[in-house]
Amino acid sequence: DAGVIQSPRHEVTEMGQEVTLRCKPISGHNSLFWYRQTMMRGLELLIYFNNNVPIDDSGMPEDRFSAKMPNASFSTLKIQPSEPRDSAVYFCASRPRGWDYGYTFGSGTRLTVV
Amino acid sequence: GEDVEQSLFLSVREGDSSVINCTYTDSSSTYLYWYKQEPGAGLQLLTYIFSNMDMKQDQRLTVLLNKKDKHLSLRIADTQTGDSAIYFCAERSNTGKLIFGQGTTLQVKP
Repeated sequence: DAGVIQSPRHEVTEMGQEVTLRCKPISGHNSLFWYRQTMMRGLELLIYFNNNVPIDDSGMPEDRFSAKMPNASFSTLKIQPSEPRDSAVYFCASRPRGWDYGYTFGSGTRLTVV
Repeated sequence: GEDVEQSLFLSVREGDSSVINCTYTDSSSTYLYWYKQEPGAGLQLLTYIFSNMDMKQDQRLTVLLNKKDKHLSLRIADTQTGDSAIYFCAERSNTGKLIFGQGTTLQVKP
């Protein structure tokens, strides 16, 4: 099992550019979560999906952020336009249906907006 | 509301026991978790405890849960330098999502 796969591992972009972060959950996991980690705010849940449907996007900071899950094996988090304050590590996590024993996290994407 | 609080830093000597504490607010939480994050890596699930338990032991790890006080602790026996990391406490909300604390940085001195 390859685990939760995120790409890219590192992204450096200029302010105003569009950024797309990608996630492949573990096969068979039907819940997917996007988190953002910063020193100031810790780990924040941005959005999560059950069966490819967004359930709670209340953590999405603003309209510049959007997330999609077109199928069970792929999700994207897009920031357009990006700003320096979006610099953070973005984690994707997944879990199987009815599984209460925690999530499996990816290794994260470190985003730097200059 | 849902909130999880942890102290930010703990320093111990190699071979000593480490105790990391956490408080949470949601009394309906059914599961509570401890995750470990090493530098440059994602979060790794260490252990979890169901809310009807008050203790769980797994090798060097002991989790204690005081549901009345909404207090959770993680004890690491015989702490090693490889245990240096950030430790996150998390509670499962009634909507199924995990709410994380700020993380406790454990520094293990040789």
